[in-house]
Amino acid sequence: GESVGLHLPTLSVQEGDNSIINCAYSNSASDYFIWYKQESGKGPQFIIDIRSNMDKRQGQRVTVLLNKTVKHLSLQIAATQPGDSAVYFCAETRLTYGNNRLAFGKGNQVVVIP
Amino acid sequence: DTEVTQTPKHLVMGMTNKKSLKCEQHMGHRAMYWYKQKAKKPPELMFVYSYEKLSINESVPSRFSPECPNSSLLNLHLHALQPEDSALYLCASSHVAKNIQYFGAGTRLSVL
Repeated sequence: GESVGLHLPTLSVQEGDNSIINCAYSNSASDYFIWYKQESGKGPQFIIDIRSNMDKRQGQRVTVLLNKTVKHLSLQIAATQPGDSAVYFCAETRLTYGNNRLAFGKGNQVVVIP
Repeated sequence: DTEVTQTPKHLVMGMTNKKSLKCEQHMGHRAMYWYKQKAKKPPELMFVYSYEKLSINESVPSRFSPECPNSSLLNLHLHALQPEDSALYLCASSHVAKNIQYFGAGTRLSVL
């Protein structure tokens, strides 16, 4: 199930099930979105990205969906594995040359139950 | 190779000490970043270097002093830090015209 902890929303998922992580972004001018995974003791790791001219993009076991109408982004992980346990951050930005700012979401913790 | 290397991994310092954090990448990226991350929070941008020049300073206190000696190296010099500066300090790099930033593992800093 999903619960909101003191700092991070947490999604507990059974190994082998699919996970869906949601993110609401704030800037309607943002045209590029990235999902990062951060495991304990590590830096954020790039997972997948999507431009605003797309509404879906698939990678290996991951799919990102973008709904610009409601400014919502989601990351779907198929057949969740113990190694997927991490904090997941969405990030938004504008693809303007020289703009290097990423605005990160608050993060979602995923706990995989073996 | 998408590796950004940060040293040291852990650092404990007193409030009167001077120390430096180091970051290195060999991906040909000409944009490099320093972030501060508190537990259970997203990374907060501190500085951005673009073509070895400081392009963004997010109103960071002067006790943090960045330096970019060449296109592969980024340093963060620390002096007279406060206990509230204890955090994970992340370095990242990217191509200037692309926004995918690649992060190092970070330096866990404790200020006593």
